[in-house]
Amino acid sequence: ILNVEQSPQSLHVQEGDSTNFTCSFPSSNFYALHWYRWETAKSPEALFVMTLNGDEKKKGRISATLNTKEGYSYLYIKGSQPEDSATYLCALPGTYKYIFGTGTRLKVLA
Amino acid sequence: DVKVTQSSRYLVKRTGEKVFLECVQDMDHENMFWYRQDPGLGLRLIYFSYDVKMKEKGDIPEGYSVSREKKERFSLILESASTNQTSMYLCASSLVVGGPQHFGDGTRLSIL
Repeated sequence: ILNVEQSPQSLHVQEGDSTNFTCSFPSSNFYALHWYRWETAKSPEALFVMTLNGDEKKKGRISATLNTKEGYSYLYIKGSQPEDSATYLCALPGTYKYIFGTGTRLKVLA
Repeated sequence: DVKVTQSSRYLVKRTGEKVFLECVQDMDHENMFWYRQDPGLGLRLIYFSYDVKMKEKGDIPEGYSVSREKKERFSLILESASTNQTSMYLCASSLVVGGPQHFGDGTRLSIL
């Protein structure tokens, strides 16, 4: 069974701190990896779609890298703000099915 | 902008009731999905559909069924609700197989 793991489960940082968290997955049969942000009382929103080894994507202060050979992706947030507080999910899409990690819950303290 | 709408944000039902959760998307997407989210667990796939009138079981289909009579609408049915089906239910759609998913706001369902 394909297993996607995220660490840490939760994280508290101070406003202005930079932070990062990890998504680990089996490196065989890789197709793509998605990152989503899920804010409380809102719907999960796609942040990045990553497909190639060495991929690096950026959206404002948030960026992500991908290493398909060793089976991990990092999500970085530079200068965290309270509005970055959310659960960050990674997912591996397969043929129709997507396998989601359990998420990293980030709380940015003002 | 892409929109996936779930009929209720909160719903309370009784054990044994037949429960319908509705989901509508306005993006002409072929693929639609139903997930449930429980504390400590990732999103778990209940059912998905890649075309009208087509449906496939996900990882946890027991106790559920689905209906997709029109492309834009994907309904999740709890045939006889039980307390272990108390959960957050999320509907999603995608344009292409393996593409990013667009989610609804979720329905928090409580079965008493």
